Amino acid sequence: DTGVSQDPRHKITKRGQNVTFRCDPISEHNRLYWYRQTLGQGPEFLTYFQNEAQLEKSRLLSDRFSAERPKGSFSTLEIQRTEQGDSAMYLCASSFGWTDPSNEKLFFGSGTQLSVL
Amino acid sequence: SQQGEEDPQALSIQEGENATMNCSYKTSINNLQWYRQNSGRGLVHLILIRSNEREKHSGRLRVTLDTSKKSSSLLITASRAADTASYFCATDMDSNYQLIWGAGTKLIIKP
Repeated sequence: DTGVSQDPRHKITKRGQNVTFRCDPISEHNRLYWYRQTLGQGPEFLTYFQNEAQLEKSRLLSDRFSAERPKGSFSTLEIQRTEQGDSAMYLCASSFGWTDPSNEKLFFGSGTQLSVL
Repeated sequence: SQQGEEDPQALSIQEGENATMNCSYKTSINNLQWYRQNSGRGLVHLILIRSNEREKHSGRLRVTLDTSKKSSSLLITASRAADTASYFCATDMDSNYQLIWGAGTKLIIKP
């Protein structure tokens, strides 16, 4: 097992286009998280899955953002009608899910760097 | 909004010296975690300290937690060039699945 995998590593798009990112968590992990990080800042929580159920979504997340984890394995994050302010690193993380989430360490992927021109 | 604030924002030291970074947070927590991030990469978990613990060690890392002051410190002893990275603290908020992160301390180890 090679850890959390994210694809693509980099994405350049024009404003108004839709983009989709993929995350493959560690296979035995039940929980999956999406975070967004801008330069010089810490990660910002976007959404969280327990198996295939999306249990929490940030209030800051606009309707243009949607995430799925259809079979409880990989997840996709889609951004519709991208804006320049969406430019950021999008990080996926996973964890085992056998205890309280606050007790668990997260395993992060290397992220997808999105640039909206 | 960010729960944690790291201090200093940047730290540059000579290889072999000790590095200390601090984190302050605002609300009560169950746990506090420290992560490392190399430039342009994902984050790597370093250590988790529970609210009922005061100090924890892992190799060259020592973490302290003072819940009365709502602060934590990360000490890296005998620093190496490979320790060059950004270090983040992350806290949970009571009954919340989110981790709330500070802006990080950028550590540079000069050879």
